[in-house]
Amino acid sequence: QLQLQESGSGLVRPSQTLSLSCGVSGGSITSGDYSWSWIRQPPGKALEWIGYIYQNENAYYNPSLRSRADISLDRSNNRFSLQLTSVTAADTAVYYCASRIVDLDAFDVWGQGTLVTVSS
Amino acid sequence: DLQMTQSPSSLSASVGDRVTITCRASQSIGTYLNWYQQKPGKAPKLLIYGALSLQSGVPSRFSGGGSGTDFTLTISSLQPEDFATYHCQQSFTTPYGFGQGTKLEIK
Repeated sequence: QLQLQESGSGLVRPSQTLSLSCGVSGGSITSGDYSWSWIRQPPGKALEWIGYIYQNENAYYNPSLRSRADISLDRSNNRFSLQLTSVTAADTAVYYCASRIVDLDAFDVWGQGTLVTVSS
Repeated sequence: DLQMTQSPSSLSASVGDRVTITCRASQSIGTYLNWYQQKPGKAPKLLIYGALSLQSGVPSRFSGGGSGTDFTLTISSLQPEDFATYHCQQSFTTPYGFGQGTKLEIK
């Protein structure tokens, strides 16, 4: 049973870099059955897809983030990470990691989510 | 970008009611449409994928319909645990987009 768990700083200063990690258990990030995704939800707003990465390290991002996002794999620790640079208050949100099962083309397993607040 | 619009944004209903939520895409997406349920303080849960297919473990009172630009999520007989927010999501093309959500409340 695949399980995902986010970790990282809950408070980031404006203009700094947000860094989050997602630990994967019950499966391998090297599996070709999945891509590994980040999705966020600002308070009271809609879900927003940030991007995902495949096991071959090909990554795809939402252009709305204007190239500020970077998703990477850590094969030795079976986790994947998100870095978001030059953050502003608009980046305050609950951040979720999720697996996208390729066959279904849907986000089938989600982490519990972690609130990141951008504030000085 | 492809836009997803849900209606209504909120809905009041009673246990046992049949309810339908609608999602409209700004262009045709075939059946590349997924539905999620989200309870307060929790992550979304996949209910329906490919517009029509029920995710494993999801009760059969949930069903999806539609293709092209217009889609529906129907709950045939509301149960107390169904009061939540429902989101549609297109998987036709990146950037993947979600609807704004429909909050289903107890009448």
